[in-house]
Amino acid sequence: NAGVMQNPRHLVRRRGQEARLRCSPMKGHSHVYWYRQLPEEGLKFMVYLQKENIIDESGMPKERFSAEFPKEGPSILRIQQVVRGDSAAYFCASSPLMTGELFFGEGSRLTVL
Amino acid sequence: DQQVKQNSPSLSVQEGRISILNCDYTNSMFDYFLWYKKYPAEGPTFLISISSIKDKNEDGRFTVFLNKSAKHLSLHIVPSQPGDSAVYFCAAERGGSEKLVFGKGTKLTVNP
Repeated sequence: NAGVMQNPRHLVRRRGQEARLRCSPMKGHSHVYWYRQLPEEGLKFMVYLQKENIIDESGMPKERFSAEFPKEGPSILRIQQVVRGDSAAYFCASSPLMTGELFFGEGSRLTVL
Repeated sequence: DQQVKQNSPSLSVQEGRISILNCDYTNSMFDYFLWYKKYPAEGPTFLISISSIKDKNEDGRFTVFLNKSAKHLSLHIVPSQPGDSAVYFCAAERGGSEKLVFGKGTKLTVNP
């Protein structure tokens, strides 16, 4: 499967724990985006990364959230000290270009107890 | 501040009829618009797009219309099929920005 791969698909954490979500973009894609979908809401932009660079993190909460896209390996979205309000579906998307169509992964569903 | 609005949370149509999904936007700087389709427990998949220099784009059963003066776009599906049942998201992008702004989605149900 050459699509965008996200794991884990489902993650359960207790309040105060850390959540790490991984995303491998499609082959040949160097642009990675993270979006969050809260229940009954649309997808909200969080961060846009290229290899080793954060290009736009204007949608990321200022605290507890961080993202990286290292030279080797998948992109990681890290949420520290999770709270119940972090429960959501987190979608990663990739593209070969700066604009246009995004290819989405199947999402990682985080549940905070 | 909802820059992209899909005011109908749900729509139900009969198989074979036309489905019309609507989307309004407030930011006049948006110049590229996309529709994504999403099945439960899956990621959104790209359906069709339109640039602001056009007012219509057609791809098979799917046609997107753009009315820039009204800041309105619509997706027409004809004829509708049960497999079209999904949530449809409208998204918009401003030239030079790398992020899509999504509406909340419209859940389409096509009844056999």
